[in-house]
Amino acid sequence: EAGVTQFPSHSVIEKGQTVTLRCDPISGHDNLYWYRRVMGKEIKFLLHFVKESKQDESGMPNNRFLAERTGGTYSTLKVQPAELEDSGVYFCASSQVRSPLHFGNGTRLTVT
Amino acid sequence: SQQGEEDPQALSIQEGENATMNCSYKTSINNLQWYRQNSGRGLVHLILIRSNEREKHSGRLRVTLDTSKKSSSLLITASRAADTASYFCATLQEGTSYGKLTFGQGTILTVHP
Repeated sequence: EAGVTQFPSHSVIEKGQTVTLRCDPISGHDNLYWYRRVMGKEIKFLLHFVKESKQDESGMPNNRFLAERTGGTYSTLKVQPAELEDSGVYFCASSQVRSPLHFGNGTRLTVT
Repeated sequence: SQQGEEDPQALSIQEGENATMNCSYKTSINNLQWYRQNSGRGLVHLILIRSNEREKHSGRLRVTLDTSKKSSSLLITASRAADTASYFCATLQEGTSYGKLTFGQGTILTVHP
């Protein structure tokens, strides 16, 4: 089976610009998660979709971050406007019900 | 305070030796999981141990869990150069939705051929 794919793998943007990250989960996985690792810190949960619905978005840092999951398939995470502290690696993961997470390779975001 | 602190931060061993990594956490958990990350890649699930289990094996991996001490260890036996990676423990806290994991900062393991 194809794994979780994320696009782009790297993104370099200037402070104040907008960036949209995309995640394609494993086909048939209703659960989709976004995590983030900021430099020097631990990997942190951002939010959880079940199909197209946001199950838990308690980890979203602020309202500059917007996640969507169109039709319960792929998901996007938009950062607008980006700030320097948003730099890090953004991971997407998907899973079946109560099963281990399958992670994508991540998107490395650098805000200059 | 951090949930899932790992020790050591970095470990360097020779091929064939055993590698032991430790993880401590602070709250009551439903389960604890270990993940591996090769450089530039995503995290790969290795093993899950439930809060009512004390030890679990999978191939060359052995995980122990001591809920009274809120700690876990991951042992990799007969290590290989291909085991070189970062290893993370992740806990699923009681009462949280499945998949909402709390990760430690990880242990960087280097296995020299």
